[in-house]
Amino acid sequence: AQSVTQLGSHVSVSEGALVLLRCNYSSSVPPYLFWYVQYPNQGLQLLLKYTTGATLVKGINGFEAEFKKSETSFHLTKPSAHMSDAAEYFCAVSDYLTAGNKLTFGGGTRVLVKP
Amino acid sequence: SQTIHQWPATLVQPVGSPLSLECTVEGTSNPNLYWYRQAAGRGLQLLFYSVGIGQISSEVPQNLSASRPQDRQFILSSKKLLLSDSGFYLCAWSVGGGIQYFGAGTRLSVL
Repeated sequence: AQSVTQLGSHVSVSEGALVLLRCNYSSSVPPYLFWYVQYPNQGLQLLLKYTTGATLVKGINGFEAEFKKSETSFHLTKPSAHMSDAAEYFCAVSDYLTAGNKLTFGGGTRVLVKP
Repeated sequence: SQTIHQWPATLVQPVGSPLSLECTVEGTSNPNLYWYRQAAGRGLQLLFYSVGIGQISSEVPQNLSASRPQDRQFILSSKKLLLSDSGFYLCAWSVGGGIQYFGAGTRLSVL
């Protein structure tokens, strides 16, 4: 069975400061990993994904994440927070080898950006 | 390009009333389709998924049901809503590679 743990349900950062959201996963197969962002009363939007290859992946809005197999982690970072980054962020791992291609999500981290 | 439509955007229903939420996908064929629920202050819960017409898998026992009458149409239903059915309902699709693409969601309030 797969699982995803996001450390910290709420994170507060100052505008211009580093954003770091932590995600650890467990998977019995080489993982496909994703970060999604959700703005209030909207659906989830894909930020970035890791499947194979380069372990540092870049996404939209200046975000990037690094896959570290030895640490079973896929932390999301952005060097300089912007007010528009205030949202909820979800890490997910894919069960891509079974029918249905289901995703297992972490509990989410809500980001507050202070001016 | 592919798009996903979900409606209505908001819905207020009395306890005991029926429910029908619809989701359609355009621009792709044979997608996997999913219904999720977000209750207040909680994460995403997968309710149903479908790998083809008429094929529905339920992830959790509940008061809801799903149907897929056409390749790109996915419907979430209930015969009698409960207060606990309130939440934000999201439809999603995928065609492999792990990525799922989400609709804008329906905010359901059961009063």
